[in-house]
Amino acid sequence: GENVGLHLPTLSVQEGDNSIINCAYSNSASDYFIWYKQESGKGPQFIIDIRSNMDKRQGQRVTVLLNKTVKHLSLQIAATQPGDSAVYFCAENGGGGGADGLTFGKGTHLIIQP
Amino acid sequence: DTEVTQTPKHLVMGMTNKKSLKCEQHMGHRAMYWYKQKAKKPPELMFVYSYEKLSINESVPSRFSPECPNSSLLNLHLHALQPEDSALYLCASSPRGTGLNEKLFFGSGTQLSVL
Repeated sequence: GENVGLHLPTLSVQEGDNSIINCAYSNSASDYFIWYKQESGKGPQFIIDIRSNMDKRQGQRVTVLLNKTVKHLSLQIAATQPGDSAVYFCAENGGGGGADGLTFGKGTHLIIQP
Repeated sequence: DTEVTQTPKHLVMGMTNKKSLKCEQHMGHRAMYWYKQKAKKPPELMFVYSYEKLSINESVPSRFSPECPNSSLLNLHLHALQPEDSALYLCASSPRGTGLNEKLFFGSGTQLSVL
């Protein structure tokens, strides 16, 4: 039978389209959130972060939206390119305020169709 | 220098072996971290060093022993591992040791296989 636990959620988009990757977090005390990109064989690479006193932050081709009411975070990538293919993780700090490390969400595999 | 460097990149060891993973950063960061990542899963926190002192140990088995010789170096000593310990081990650092939320800078990891 199928081992669902080994399958990452996958998002397949056409090159040039916009991508939206979603993340639900569980700890209402978390006040700092980050999106990381992880390519095969590499460590997570920082994309963008947001603090809980904001609901939107923009970077180069990326936007992060934070909805604290429903504990939801999203990453929007504009004009998706082949180099955007990777696994994307959201991460939260747990609200501890110290060097407590980050807790990562499950991840989404973004696949770019030519 | 904005890198976290991990060695070796790949490691195969038997269950009776003793080996060490090494991590180095020269960014002047004061917190360093070990994460474990199984295939198709998110990284899971193992240990945090803040100002060279162990501040968090996430209930990791004693067969994993961290060491922070100085503010630039972080080691993970491995002994009597089990096949289920096979994973990608990631090192990370962050600029300030305590009190402030900040991004972590990750190395490329050591891919460990335990036979």
